[in-house]
Parts: sequence; structure tokens; C-alpha cells
Amino acid sequence: EDQVTQSPEALRLQEGESSSLNCSYTVSGLRGLFWYRQDPGKGPEFLFTLYSAGEEKEKERLKATLTKKESFLHITAPKPEDSATYLCAVQLMEYGNKLVFGAGTILRVKS
Amino acid sequence: ETGVTQTPRHLVMGMTNKKSLKCEQHLGHNAMYWYKQSAKKPLELMFVYSLEERVENNSVPSRFSPECPNSSHLFLHLHTLQPEDSALYLCASSQDGLAGNDEQYFGPGTRLTVT
Repeated sequence: EDQVTQSPEALRLQEGESSSLNCSYTVSGLRGLFWYRQDPGKGPEFLFTLYSAGEEKEKERLKATLTKKESFLHITAPKPEDSATYLCAVQLMEYGNKLVFGAGTILRVKS
Repeated sequence: ETGVTQTPRHLVMGMTNKKSLKCEQHLGHNAMYWYKQSAKKPLELMFVYSLEERVENNSVPSRFSPECPNSSHLFLHLHTLQPEDSALYLCASSQDGLAGNDEQYFGPGTRLTVT
């Protein structure tokens, strides 16, 4: 069964304290891996797409990396405005643009 | 603003009511999606439409009925819902449907409460 697991479920950081979020997946064939950010009361906001192992993408304080079994979202020197739920989703080879989501990591950054 | 709007933003309905959720995308995309987001559970794909044709129905109960009159509009008709159907219902769109691998853009969602 195709499965996406995110860890930790929740993470509290001090402003400036760097850390990483994990997304591990067990799927029959990976077409792409997506990271989204979701603020309370809003829909998910697209961050990154990764397609092959070894690929990295960066945006401001965020960097996403991909291996054959997992992806990491590294947050460098986070600020309070980075507080949100971060969602990982995999796109399966045989299902086109159907996404399978993980449950998310709730990130809180305190000043 | 992602270019995907949803109305209403909040909806409270009784189990015997009939209501509809509306989604509109202003991005010129060809595919639209309905997702359900329940507390502490992953987003669940409900329906996929590509070029106004339903291409995926993810084993959703018949009390949820989608309608896609054109590539910019998507509706979710609701009737005789159960309290466990209370959730955030999200609409999304992407450039291509099942043939594509591009990102999906989400609307703000409709918070549905079934009493």
C-alpha cells in the first residue's frame, strides 16, 4: 500500500534554531514529491517539487532534498512567520496527477 | 491569493439539508480537484476532473455529488450528510490532469459543520 509518513508531528523551535522535517514514503513508483505550507484557516500553498534522488531546491530559509526513500525540508534560522503546517505529498507513477498526502508537521517558531 | 476561490467559506447544515459548495479558478487550468481535510488526518482526494470530465472518484459516498460545467468551475453538491462529514473541503486546480505532473493550487477551503 502506498504510504507517506511525516515526522515529527509537531516541532517547536526558537527563532534562529535550524532544524529539519522528514517525509518518508513507501510507494510503488514515484513520479514527484511536493512540499506545501498550510496556515490556519487557509488552503495549502505550493513550495517545491522534487523529481529525482539527489535533487535539491531552495526558497528563502527553506531547502528541500530528496532521496530514494525520503525527503527533508531543512529550515535555516527560522522566524516566527515560518510557523505553519508543512505538508508532503507524493505523486504516483501510475496515477498521473493524483497526490497522496502525509498528515503534516506543525511547526511553531517562538521569538 | 492563489487564483482559486471557494464559497461559502463556512457552512453549517443539518443532516437533512441540501447545499452546494462552489469553486472557481482564474488560472486557465484544465484540471480541478476536490479534497477533504479532517482534523489530524491527511488530505483525502475525493474527485478529479480533467477537461470537465470526471476521471477519478476515490470511493466517495453518493451523498457527495460533484459537477464540473466548464474548466473554470467546480461544484460539490451535498445531501443527507452525516456528522463525520464535518471537515474542511478544499478545491484545487492544475494545468494538466492525469497526464501531467505539475503542482496543484488550492483554494482557501469551505469549513463544513454537519449538525
